[in-house]
Amino acid sequence: AQSVTQPDIHITVSEGASLELRCNYSYGATPYLFWYVQSPGQGLQLLLKYFSGDTLVQGIKGFEAEFKRSQSSFNLRKPSVHWSDAAEYFCAVGAGGGSQGNLIFGKGTKLSVKP
Amino acid sequence: DAGVIQSPRHEVTEMGQEVTLRCKPISGHDYLFWYRQTMMRGLELLIYFNNNVPIDDSGMPEDRFSAKMPNASFSTLKIQPSEPRDSAVYFCASSPRVAPTLETQYFGPGTRLLVL
Repeated sequence: AQSVTQPDIHITVSEGASLELRCNYSYGATPYLFWYVQSPGQGLQLLLKYFSGDTLVQGIKGFEAEFKRSQSSFNLRKPSVHWSDAAEYFCAVGAGGGSQGNLIFGKGTKLSVKP
Repeated sequence: DAGVIQSPRHEVTEMGQEVTLRCKPISGHDYLFWYRQTMMRGLELLIYFNNNVPIDDSGMPEDRFSAKMPNASFSTLKIQPSEPRDSAVYFCASSPRVAPTLETQYFGPGTRLLVL
């Protein structure tokens, strides 16, 4: 069965520091992978997605993620964190292989940013 | 496009009352999803529709929950009777029809439900 693991429940970084949020997936075929962000009291917003091709994908707000098949990972990175990045981040895998549209979400990683 | 629209944004009700949550998906999207988010269980898929037809409702907690999609631009999630443990944020999301982009889901702002 498909699954997504986000090992870190809560991460705190200083403003201006680099960030990496981890995501591991379990999926039998080539996965469709996503990162969503949820600001406090808001809905989920798509940051970036990977379907195929270049394994380093760029997203909005200066985020990027790298798909590593050998490690079953899709870690999210940002070189310099801003205070406005404080939010909860969800990794997700497409469970239907493009045919069903269903997504499996991880439990989320809450990011706090220190001034 | 206005994005996915949900109403109401906040709902406070008493145990035993009927609650109806509403969703308008993005025009042209063939898939519609209902999720529930709680601190304890995270984001859970309740049910999803394709072309107004329910495809998978295995996430619906119990018979008190029901969802309908009478047309391509409107869906409801109903809880009757409501219980305090139903308190959560309920999200609606929609996806376009063309694979693989149909995997990308666009979320509404959510309905925050509190059952007293």
